[in-house]
Amino acid sequence: EVQLVESGGGLVQPGGSLRLSCEASLFTFSNFWMNWVRQAPGKGLEWVANIKQDGSVRNYVESAKGRFTISRDNAKSSLYLHLNSLRAEDTAVYYCARAWVPGTLEVWGQGTMVTVSS
Amino acid sequence: QSALTQPPSASGSPGQSVTISCTGTSSDVGGYNYVSWYQQHPGKAPKLMIYEVTKRPSGVPDRFSGSKSGNTASLSVSGLQAEDEADYYCGSHSDIYPMVFGGGTRLTVL
Repeated sequence: EVQLVESGGGLVQPGGSLRLSCEASLFTFSNFWMNWVRQAPGKGLEWVANIKQDGSVRNYVESAKGRFTISRDNAKSSLYLHLNSLRAEDTAVYYCARAWVPGTLEVWGQGTMVTVSS
Repeated sequence: QSALTQPPSASGSPGQSVTISCTGTSSDVGGYNYVSWYQQHPGKAPKLMIYEVTKRPSGVPDRFSGSKSGNTASLSVSGLQAEDEADYYCGSHSDIYPMVFGGGTRLTVL
């Protein structure tokens, strides 16, 4: 079964950094745009960033620009999200998701929790 | 504040039908046939239920259907079952971002 597994979440102080990873299995990772979506506790979904198949195009939500960096390693079937200058409002479950067509996230990971607190 | 507007709640009795709306603008819902719907049970990851406005992924019951008129998309669930109780989110491609979401609708099966 196609699978995405996130890791790297945890507790970090405001201003700190974290790297999230998402490992893909049982599909050709390099064929797909990949995304990060987050969900703050008790809140709705927020799209964060995406990256083209070859890594040549990256898009970010305004609140992530300049602080977060999305990257991928197709040889390792892995997606990453580097989080810098973290704020309390970045506290959320972070999901990676595969995109097949625009506006469609067809496969999701189970999520990894990021808590920003002193 | 979410880009797309959904009612916070909806409800129906088992066997009944319910429709959830998702209102955007001509820059997202109205401008593209790339509207999707996601079901999320508590503590679980979202699951794709509808894509490209009306299409159902393999394995999604045909009790779930999608439609769009102008800047408003809708998700309809017929023959409500207890397991349909969940949060539902709409999503759309947009001019500004590759993906925007609605604020979510909690569906309660009475």
